[in-house]
Amino acid sequence: EPEVTQTPSHQVTQMGQEVILRCVPISNHLYFYWYRQILGQKVEFLVSFYNNEISEKSEIFDDQFSVERPDGSNFTLKIRSTKLEDSAMYFCASSGGQHEQFFGPGTRLTVL
Amino acid sequence: AQSVTQLDSQVPVFEEAPVELRCNYSSSVSVYLFWYVQYPNQGLQLLLKYLSGSTLVKGINGFEAEFNKSQTSFHLRKPSVHISDTAEYFCAVRYSSASKIIFGSGTRLSIRP
Repeated sequence: EPEVTQTPSHQVTQMGQEVILRCVPISNHLYFYWYRQILGQKVEFLVSFYNNEISEKSEIFDDQFSVERPDGSNFTLKIRSTKLEDSAMYFCASSGGQHEQFFGPGTRLTVL
Repeated sequence: AQSVTQLDSQVPVFEEAPVELRCNYSSSVSVYLFWYVQYPNQGLQLLLKYLSGSTLVKGINGFEAEFNKSQTSFHLRKPSVHISDTAEYFCAVRYSSASKIIFGSGTRLSIRP
């Protein structure tokens, strides 16, 4: 069964450093998303992406964040200058339509 | 505001007992509803979904949920739980006017032998 994959599973970085989280959505999906879950809290929406542009973003998704689909298979989330409060589990999701979203296993980001 | 409320942060039950996890959402004309499960140190797995049609939906692992439009609820049930059901359960909603999914705060289900 096709699935969303994410790399790395765990990323440790120093505050102020740039990180890129990578996702490979399900191959025939057209809609892509990033969510995050701070430890012990609910899952929060960050951004949705369709047709090579951002279709919706939350107030969390400020200028420090960017997304890109550099080729036909990858979908990336970049954080330019990480802060301590960016430590969280980041989930990528993809969708073939606009209803069910399939989630990846997540990347745990730890900012020291 | 669009929101999802899970009234119980933790639900302890004995093995083989029935369980209900409650979920309410803020009212809207058209919604799509989901329950996701997160096992320890794992990602989010879809348990079941309501898109349209029958208000009683069945999912994986013996779970079911009922969409109640008048009460804006989507409670999750299982008639007999197993130790392996120990996990965090998230109710989620997508409003037809948006692409994002809004998650509830989660309910931690712990099963006692």
